[in-house]
Amino acid sequence: DIQMTQSPSTLSASVGDRVTITCRASQSIGSWLAWYQEKPGKAPKLLIYDASSLESGVPSRFSGSGSGTEFTLTISSLQPDDFATYYCQQYNSYSPLTFGGGTKVEIK
Amino acid sequence: QVQLVQSGAEVKKPGASVKVSCKASGYSFNNYGVSWVRQAPGQGLEWMGWISAYTGNTNYAQNLQGRVTMTTDTSASTAYIELRSLTSDDTAVYYCARDRGSSPGMDVWGQGTTVTVSS
Repeated sequence: DIQMTQSPSTLSASVGDRVTITCRASQSIGSWLAWYQEKPGKAPKLLIYDASSLESGVPSRFSGSGSGTEFTLTISSLQPDDFATYYCQQYNSYSPLTFGGGTKVEIK
Repeated sequence: QVQLVQSGAEVKKPGASVKVSCKASGYSFNNYGVSWVRQAPGQGLEWMGWISAYTGNTNYAQNLQGRVTMTTDTSASTAYIELRSLTSDDTAVYYCARDRGSSPGMDVWGQGTTVTVSS
């Protein structure tokens, strides 16, 4: 199985901060990586796919980068609506498909 | 608009089975697959498996093999997941998501179905 490790698990930040979340894969997954945002009581929402492609309708302050085993999600200027939990997910292999453990972005 | 609408909350006793539905609208159901993902209280996301809406081919998570069955009814644009021999560890919110089985990942999600297993 491909293990996905996110860091940090919790992040405290203020509105306007630049925020970076890291996701590491246990083996190369090319660019087959997605990022999701989850808020309490709501379904996850796709933000980034293919490591760096912005999903339609997602604000441009979100960006993704990386390939192989190291990936990052960056929020250029944190907004009040961005306080949520973020998950990375690899889809290089569906045997099984795997998520990272999540990063909770909290208000500082 | 493109959406997935899931069936309502379920309460089951240990050892029972549950079947959750996921009705698609606004897109060609046969052109995509469906992944099922669950989230136990306070935990992260767990992928349960994937089904091709067109062929019915499935790919289940190893830890659920033998207890889970995913099916589709293309005439009703609906996907189903059945989980048997329920235990308290199966208490979770269950999500369906549109998924080609490749890029771009899970781009449309259902609203979630809460399944509670309790004696």
